[in-house]
Amino acid sequence: DIVMTQSPDSLAVSLGERATINCKSSQSVLYTSDNKNYLAWYQQRPGQPPKLLIYWASTRESGVPDRFSGSGSGTDFTLTISSLQAEDVAVYYCQQYYSTPYTFGQGTKLEIK
Amino acid sequence: QVQLVQSGAEVKKPGSSVKVSCKASGGTFRNFGFSWVRQAPGQGLEWMGRIVPFLGIADYAHKFQGRVTITADQSTTTAYMELRSLRYEDTAVYYCARGEITVTGSRGAYYQYGLDVWGQGTAVTVSS
Repeated sequence: DIVMTQSPDSLAVSLGERATINCKSSQSVLYTSDNKNYLAWYQQRPGQPPKLLIYWASTRESGVPDRFSGSGSGTDFTLTISSLQAEDVAVYYCQQYYSTPYTFGQGTKLEIK
Repeated sequence: QVQLVQSGAEVKKPGSSVKVSCKASGGTFRNFGFSWVRQAPGQGLEWMGRIVPFLGIADYAHKFQGRVTITADQSTTTAYMELRSLRYEDTAVYYCARGEITVTGSRGAYYQYGLDVWGQGTAVTVSS
């Protein structure tokens, strides 16, 4: 199984500042035939189901604000929120969907400083 | 607008079984796979398995193999997850989630864009 490890486990950032969350996979999730990384990011607000933010490591889902961006390839990935808003308080998860089982990272809790 | 509507909360005794449903409305059932993901209280997300109804295939995480069965009824656009031999540690919120499926000879059936639509979750409590 591919193990997904996120860092940090929790993060406190001031409103308007940048937040960066890292995700590392135990093996590459880049499919060389189409040059796509099968890595997604989700946001889960308290009491809500997860919401897809980013797929293919860097493509924003429709309707997701452009302050959210994803980067990385192979085994190392980053989710960046360029200017933190109050509504961004949530737990963020990465997930590889390169091969089953489609494992998640342990989550990163983002709070306001 | 596609929605996944799950069945209501359940309270079960240890050793019993639970079957949770997930009805897809407002869109096609075809070309999609349905995953089940659970979340224990205060914990992270755990992928349990998926079904691809138009191919009739299901995959399971090793941890749940032999104890979980995921099925789908295309006529009612409903997916199901049955978990047997329930333990206290199965207490969790269970989510279904949809993703578009692509099929190739080299990779088989795989999600293209991750899991883009989620159900509201079903709380399952295992208690004596």
